[in-house]
Amino acid sequence: QSALTQPASVSGSPGQSITISCTGTSSDVGAYDYVSWYQQHSVKAPKLMIYDVTNRPSGVSNRFSGSKSGNTASLTISGLQAEDEADYYCSSYTTSRSVVFGGGTKLTVL
Amino acid sequence: EVQLVESGGGLIQPGGSLRLSCAASGFTVSTNYMSWVRQAPGKGLEWVSVIWRDGTTYYAESVKGRFTISRDNSKNMLYLQMNSLRGEDTAMYYCARELQIAKGQGAFDCWGQGALVIVSS
Repeated sequence: QSALTQPASVSGSPGQSITISCTGTSSDVGAYDYVSWYQQHSVKAPKLMIYDVTNRPSGVSNRFSGSKSGNTASLTISGLQAEDEADYYCSSYTTSRSVVFGGGTKLTVL
Repeated sequence: EVQLVESGGGLIQPGGSLRLSCAASGFTVSTNYMSWVRQAPGKGLEWVSVIWRDGTTYYAESVKGRFTISRDNSKNMLYLQMNSLRGEDTAMYYCARELQIAKGQGAFDCWGQGALVIVSS
């Protein structure tokens, strides 16, 4: 199972909005509405930000939103804040009953 | 408080074996979908294995036949037995719990702090 494709890096200024894409195939992203997004600061454990494409766990800011079209999912962060600077990973359930992650995107807040 | 604490990592020679443990508190391992996820130094996340509530297990192709996930319900523990270790298995290994409403789809809402495994001679 190949990793999902994410841009290596994105950047934005405080207050702006950014979108991170996550492209898979019809065997993963396109097969189910089971895409999750994680935020990871330096060497800390990842934090779940979005699950099942659009849902936010309790406690996650509504500045984070998710969507999907075909084999590509997206994470949008609005009103960028300095604390949003981190690595972001998408994941998807697959038709093989496994989970595949994206390669990760480094978000820089300018 | 919901918490996961991994242990058992270390330096191991290629071809060797190691067992990682994950102690859960604040919830019951056997009533959740539990996975192991690893992260090689400076690299991205890689899903390794899952054990379902009913005990069904699945593995990434990269570890199939070498790694075994299991749990001890009486101790509320999750394990990962790793055999025939290779250099490419060097990584931080996290145990992770799925959301209660999830069914193995990769929505991990609780993570341990990780256990570092280094495979090197």
